[in-house]
This record gives sequence, structure tokens and C-alpha cells, in this order.
Amino acid sequence: ETGVTQSPTHLIKTRGQQVTLRCSSQSGHNTVSWYQQALGQGPQFIFQYYREEENGRGNFPPRFSGLQFPNYSSELNVNALELDDSALYLCASSPRTTLPYEQYFGPGTRLTVT
Amino acid sequence: RKEVEQDPGPFNVPEGATVAFNCTYSNSASQSFFWYRQDCRKEPKLLMSVYSSGNEDGRFTAQLNRASQYISLLIRDSKLSDSATYLCVVNRDDKIIFGKGTRLHILP
Repeated sequence: ETGVTQSPTHLIKTRGQQVTLRCSSQSGHNTVSWYQQALGQGPQFIFQYYREEENGRGNFPPRFSGLQFPNYSSELNVNALELDDSALYLCASSPRTTLPYEQYFGPGTRLTVT
Repeated sequence: RKEVEQDPGPFNVPEGATVAFNCTYSNSASQSFFWYRQDCRKEPKLLMSVYSSGNEDGRFTAQLNRASQYISLLIRDSKLSDSATYLCVVNRDDKIIFGKGTRLHILP
């Protein structure tokens, strides 16, 4: 086990609603990254937080936003949900000391938008 | 062209055989490289980082070729438990890019 936890495990939402997903990083890790993985695809990088600041973002619209807290846990918020947002959402933490920044993933939250 | 490309497979390989995958990346500024494995409906797990000099971890060997912009993973004496999807990951300027993965099936 990596020590990275995510909640909830599964979630069903309706188009247009908003959702908040949560991630607790591994002890000692100050960087959290979020990914979206659609079925049959590799994880797509959404953004990364380092010491409570967004530090890198992929090609996702502004309705995907996040936060990192002083204890390095993190939230991913998605507004105005669309059907295509249905996916596995993964968070990964890393110690970010020196390259390479090895990341350790949580089990994911499976979001279904109907 | 995708920034990280992998052959999706599947590679169907008999138990005990050696199998190798390549992954190409398009941005020469890429800084670090990894292989992850992902079992069906599970999260990716770090298999190994890939270093410029090449590195080995038991039956697994990873190589990096910066001139040709590819990384490779070699699995020797393959086991049934090696069946999984292998994801190539490239890190550049605080962006982390995953390939789509290569599916490997080890046949008894």
C-alpha cells in the first residue's frame, strides 16, 4: 500500500452538478497531482499542487480546480459536470526533493455522470 | 503527434519468455522517465524510474536513449503475474505525461 488515500471510492452525479474529490498524501510528501483516466486510456494530468500552490496544469478547462491544505491533503473540484467527465480520478503524491519525482497513487475515485 | 507514444498491444507472451516494450517521447526537454504497471481497474504502481545509464531491478531492465528519444522496458523470465498494462511516463517542467499503455498477457 502506498499510504495515499482517496474518498469517496465511487460517486454518481448528474450533468450540471458539482463534485469534490479528496486525497490524503503519503506522510512526508508535499506534492499532490491529480489525473483523469478514461476507460482504455492512460491517466491524463489535470494539475499538481506543491506547498499549497498550483504548480503545473494539463489541458483541462477552468471548471476543474483544486486546493492543497497545510497538511498537504488535497481536493479536486469539478463544476458543471459533463457526461465526458465520467472517469477514474487518481491522485498521486511525491516527496519532490530531487528528480526524478517518483509518484505514488491512491486507489482512485470512480465518477459516473448521468 | 502525441507527446508520449506506446504500442497498445496486446503482447501475448508464453510464460518464461523475454518481452520488451518501447516508448517514444517527442519533447527533447523531458527530464525524467518512469515505467508504471496498472492492473485492471486498479491504480498505477511505480515499477521503476529510468536512468540515463540504464538500470535493472531483478527481472526488469529499463533503458533510456535520449538521442532517439525513447525508453524501453525488458522483462526476462516472464511470470503469469506480470500480466498487466505497462505505462510509460515522462516528466517535463512540472507536467507529467502518461502514455496510453501497453497491454501484456503472459500465457501459461
